[in-house]
Amino acid sequence: DGGITQSPKYLFRKEGQNVTLSCEQNLNHDAMYWYRQDPGQGLRLIYYSQIVNDFQKGDIAEGYSVSREKKESFPLTVTSAQKNPTAFYLCASSIRGQDTQYFGPGTRLTVL
Amino acid sequence: QQQVKQSPQSLIVQKGGISIINCAYENTAFDYFPWYQQFPGKGPALLIAIRPDVSEKKEGRFTISFNKSAKQFSLHIMDSQPGDSATYFCAAGTSGSRLTFGEGTQLTVNP
Repeated sequence: DGGITQSPKYLFRKEGQNVTLSCEQNLNHDAMYWYRQDPGQGLRLIYYSQIVNDFQKGDIAEGYSVSREKKESFPLTVTSAQKNPTAFYLCASSIRGQDTQYFGPGTRLTVL
Repeated sequence: QQQVKQSPQSLIVQKGGISIINCAYENTAFDYFPWYQQFPGKGPALLIAIRPDVSEKKEGRFTISFNKSAKQFSLHIMDSQPGDSATYFCAAGTSGSRLTFGEGTQLTVNP
């Protein structure tokens, strides 16, 4: 089955710890995106990558980091510098130059 | 300006009624306007999308109306069903680039 997988579905971390969220796609899509979802605020873009080894900051990149070493993988690290990391994180991908973004099932991160 | 404003924040409709959700944008360079549907605990899924060369697009019970001069677009759900209860997001973007999402509308369809 083709699609986007995010793991884990639920993640708990202590305050001050870095944590890495996984996003893998087997759709052969060039572009990948990370969004943060908070109640009443819609989806806010954290980082996106149009090709391997290249990525750009979105609207709320502070406290986050990414890498794009492989086409199918785009992991997101939530660092201790992120002031309010508890949220639902969504990964998406698209064919480069096309508009439709396909979303993964999300990871709910709770920082205790 | 990159903002997309969505209203209402929540909407309650009776089964069989029409659900209407509105969005407004500011950036005249936007040329792609999708609507996404999200069920609790799941990722959003593309529902329907429109480009500014047409004023309306219909797919089954779902219709997008687009007003380029007013910089507004809306989603109409005809014959709303309890299974349509979900959160709906509008978005806007330029071709092949990033999307800007609205704040979302939580739709409840009562049986």
